[in-house]
Amino acid sequence: EVQLLESGGGSGQPGGSLTLSCAASGFTFDNYAMNWVRQAPGKGLEWVSTITLTGLTTYYADSVKGRFTISRDNAKNTLYLHMNSLRVEDTAVYYCVRDVRIFQYWGRGTLVTVSS
Amino acid sequence: QSALTQPASVSGSPGQSITISCTGTSSDVGAFDYVSWYQQHPDKAPKLLIYDVNKRPSGASYRFSASKSGNVASLTISGLQAGDEADYYCSSYTTSNTYVFGTGTKVTVL
Repeated sequence: EVQLLESGGGSGQPGGSLTLSCAASGFTFDNYAMNWVRQAPGKGLEWVSTITLTGLTTYYADSVKGRFTISRDNAKNTLYLHMNSLRVEDTAVYYCVRDVRIFQYWGRGTLVTVSS
Repeated sequence: QSALTQPASVSGSPGQSITISCTGTSSDVGAFDYVSWYQQHPDKAPKLLIYDVNKRPSGASYRFSASKSGNVASLTISGLQAGDEADYYCSSYTTSNTYVFGTGTKVTVL
């Protein structure tokens, strides 16, 4: 069974940093690209970032480009999202999602709240 | 990276069919056959309903069908049931190697 378990969410201040993790199990992690998708409270879904199988290529939404960095450790079956220069508008539930084009497997999400 | 446009709400009676539209541009919906649809119940993660415009993943209900014409994709729910009451989102791959989601549609079963 595919399982994606996010962690690392919590409260942060504007301008601060947080790192999210996603522990993957139930599939061969390095066979799949991975993504982060977020959802602000009461709002719609927003794609954040994608990383390829090897981690050599990454893609970002304009809203986070230059502030967030996606990475992966295939030996640990773990996906990361390093978030810097946090803004109030980054407040959201962040979901870890497997594969590209077909977002079939989602984690339960981890809540990030940015406020002063 | 503007969100795809969906109606804010659609409603129908049990047993009826409803259709949700998803309007994009020639840089996303119109560029590839990579449109997918998701259902999200409150406080739950989204669930994939349709991928590659009109393909259903294993386990997805046959009551959900979809199509695309030009820059507009559509999701039809047939035989509407109480459990279909949820938020629905479309998504598309874009010519910028990114993804964009729709604004979301709240489906109400009357």
